Amino acid sequence: EDKVVQSPLSLVVHEGDTVTLNCSYEVTNFRSLLWYKQEKKAPTFLFMLTSSGIEKKSGRLSSILDKKELFSILNITATQTGDSAVYLCAAPLISGNTPLVFGKGTRLSVIA
Amino acid sequence: DAGVIQSPRHEVTEMGQEVTLRCKPISGHNSLFWYRQTMMRGLELLIYFNNNVPIDDSGMPEDRFSAKMPNASFSTLKIQPSEPRDSAVYFCASRSSGGLAYEQYFGPGTRLTVT
Repeated sequence: EDKVVQSPLSLVVHEGDTVTLNCSYEVTNFRSLLWYKQEKKAPTFLFMLTSSGIEKKSGRLSSILDKKELFSILNITATQTGDSAVYLCAAPLISGNTPLVFGKGTRLSVIA
Repeated sequence: DAGVIQSPRHEVTEMGQEVTLRCKPISGHNSLFWYRQTMMRGLELLIYFNNNVPIDDSGMPEDRFSAKMPNASFSTLKIQPSEPRDSAVYFCASRSSGGLAYEQYFGPGTRLTVT
């Protein structure tokens, strides 16, 4: 069964800290891995990763994929209270035009 | 573009009542997905449609759940009869043909509470 597992489930840090969120996957015919940020509404897209070792970066957020070990990490440096959210990792099933299987998410709380 | 539209945004109902959730996908998108999100189980796919045709409904919990897509611009998810364990946020998402997996746009969700 295809699955995506995230850790930790929740995390509380202080502003300015750096955090690393983990995502491991077991997906048949793996194509890509996606990260989403979910605040009090729908998930919004952050990154899509398809190749090992190539870091994707957007501001203070970055992510990398290891296709040999079947995992990805999402790093957030110099965290801010606005980074508080649930971060979801997902992978498409089988092939292109199919749904996503999601991990349960990591709930990040950044306190001032 | 208005994005994916869902209604209602919040629904509170009593156990045993019928609940209908509605979704209007982004114009031109031909894939539509219904997801359910709970604290315990996270975000789970219920059913999805390509070109208005249901492709995979294996995620639908049981016969109390049904979904239809009568045309390209409208879909419903119905629960009859509803139970307290159905309380969750229900998301609809849409994607265009040939779109990459990430080009899946989520609606704002319907928060359902069954008492």
